Amino acid sequence: LAKTTQPISMDSYEGQEVNITCSHNNIATNDYITWYQQFPSQGPRFIIQGYKTKVTNEVASLFIPADRKSSTLSLPRVSLSDTAVYYCLVGGGDSGAGSYQLTFGKGTKLSVIP
Amino acid sequence: DTGVSQNPRHKITKRGQNVTFRCDPISEHNRLYWYRQTLGQGPEFLTYFQNEAQLEKSRLLSDRFSAERPKGSFSTLEIQRTEQGDSAMYLCASKLMGGGQETQYFGPGTRLLVL
Repeated sequence: LAKTTQPISMDSYEGQEVNITCSHNNIATNDYITWYQQFPSQGPRFIIQGYKTKVTNEVASLFIPADRKSSTLSLPRVSLSDTAVYYCLVGGGDSGAGSYQLTFGKGTKLSVIP
Repeated sequence: DTGVSQNPRHKITKRGQNVTFRCDPISEHNRLYWYRQTLGQGPEFLTYFQNEAQLEKSRLLSDRFSAERPKGSFSTLEIQRTEQGDSAMYLCASKLMGGGQETQYFGPGTRLLVL
């Protein structure tokens, strides 16, 4: 599975937009990009997934450039409850082959300040 | 709530004891995964099942670890002769293969403390 690199930590004030960028230079053709959020003492929670261009849902947006070697998770107007660790993962799609176990890095610890 | 559930949520045991954790996946999810997470690290893959078949167990940390999913529904993870280094959060996740969904859904985890 492709290795990812993301900042260890970020701070943001409440109400601001937060962008977390992840590098994945060795992403394979059939790899998807997925972001998870994890609060202390809880399991990771799926935020968003994409393959290319831009994906938006009710929680976040995911921007993926044409070369797919990086991606940016955008959280609009963060609140204190968005303080968490955010993981960027890349892996194969649901082609029916492979185990699709997720390979997590250390993630980005986002701290939202009042 | 029909999400992934795990029991117990917390377990304290003495070194050398055996422990067993249970995971109930989302109904009809045919893939079930076990992960371990230590403090400050992301979850680490251990093993997974497709229905009742365990398709990969090479990542299990030692032969003291074993997992089962006898009827293709709930799963158990057992650790025999626990050691202090086994202290961690054990996470279970499930996924529907072939349904066009790429997402793994995680349970709340079982936090193990070995004294």
